[in-house]
This record gives sequence, structure tokens and C-alpha cells, in this order.
Amino acid sequence: KAGVTQTPRYLIKTRGQQVTLSCSPISGHRSVSWYQQTPGQGLQFLFEYFSETQRNKGNFPGRFSGRQFSNSRSEMNVSTLELGDSALYLCASSLETSGTGELFFGEGSRLTVL
Amino acid sequence: QKEVEQNSGPLSVPEGAIASLNCTYSDRGSQSFFWYRQYSGKSPELIMSIYSNGDKEDGRFTAQLNKASQYVSLLIRDSQPSDSATYLCAAYTGGFKTIFGAGTRLFVKA
Repeated sequence: KAGVTQTPRYLIKTRGQQVTLSCSPISGHRSVSWYQQTPGQGLQFLFEYFSETQRNKGNFPGRFSGRQFSNSRSEMNVSTLELGDSALYLCASSLETSGTGELFFGEGSRLTVL
Repeated sequence: QKEVEQNSGPLSVPEGAIASLNCTYSDRGSQSFFWYRQYSGKSPELIMSIYSNGDKEDGRFTAQLNKASQYVSLLIRDSQPSDSATYLCAAYTGGFKTIFGAGTRLFVKA
């Protein structure tokens, strides 16, 4: 069974640009969560989607957005990039519809903002 | 602000010893608790889930939960150098959101 797939794995952008990251969950998993990981802040929750609906959102500015498609694949977008957005962005999928928290992570997309 | 707190370490133990990792959480409504292992440069991997008070054992790993004290721990018996990693404690707080502690770095010395 294929795991969670994230693309691209690495990307470099400059301030002011925007970026779109993609996540394909494990087959059969309908819940997708996104996290930002930085050395100083650890894993910070961005948002969670289930059946194309955002069910929760973390404390991030509106520049961070996401969506989920009918096949459960998800994308997140960061607009007007800032230096502080440099981080590892992790996508995790879950089988549980009620959300008990057993998450399976992809390898992440490492974003560097110059 | 719901929080999960961990000692950042590093925790250093000799090979074959028991490594004890601890975690506290602030939200009494938290329902489920997890330990993830993250090797350097890799993504977190779920190693243990615990949902009720007491101990849960899986191979060399034992998770312990005490909801009254809002305390979760992970014991690793017969520690191996391959166990050297960062261990993340996580709590499902409801609302389809899992929050993570900052992680404890474990070094197992051969």
C-alpha cells in the first residue's frame, strides 16, 4: 500500500512569491492534515480536511490556505511568501472519520524562502 | 492555548538501558495520545497510541497514560543505537486537531 505522497520535495522561492504544495493520502484515507515544522516552533497545525471540507484551522495568517479534492488529494497554498515561511511542510492522512489522531505522514515538502 | 510539553533533552542512555520519555498536556478534554518517532531528516512515524489510563506494551515500547495527572510517558526497553531519534508526544484535543510537543531528542550510546 502506497504511503502519503507529497510533491514537490524541495523548493526554493523568493519573498513575495506564492507556492502550492500537493499531498496524496494513503488509499482509503479521507482525512488530510497539514503541519508546518520549524526548529524553533516544532510541529504546528495548519488545517484539516475531510470530504472536501475544512474542519479545523490553526493559527496561521490568511496567506495560508488549502483545499481538498473529491479524490481526497489535498493542496496547500502560501501566498506572498515571507522569510519566516521557510519550513518543512508535512501532510498527514488518517483513516478515522471521527478524528482520533492516528496520523501517517508524508516525507514533507521543504520550502526555502530567500 | 492547549499545549503538550516535553523536555527537549537530549536524553542520553547507554545501549541496553531503559529510556524514559515524559510528556504533560494541558487540555483535560484530550482524548487520545500518541508517540511519534522522527529520525533526522525524516518525517514523524507513529509508534504508539494510547487511549485509556494505564500501560500499553508493544514489543520494547510501553506507553503509560495518567489522565488525572495529565501525564503520558514512553519507556523503551533494551535501547538500541537505532532508537536514537526525536520522540514527539501528541494529543488529540478534539475538533479534528492533533497537537504535538516540541519533541525529546534521544541518544543511545553503543
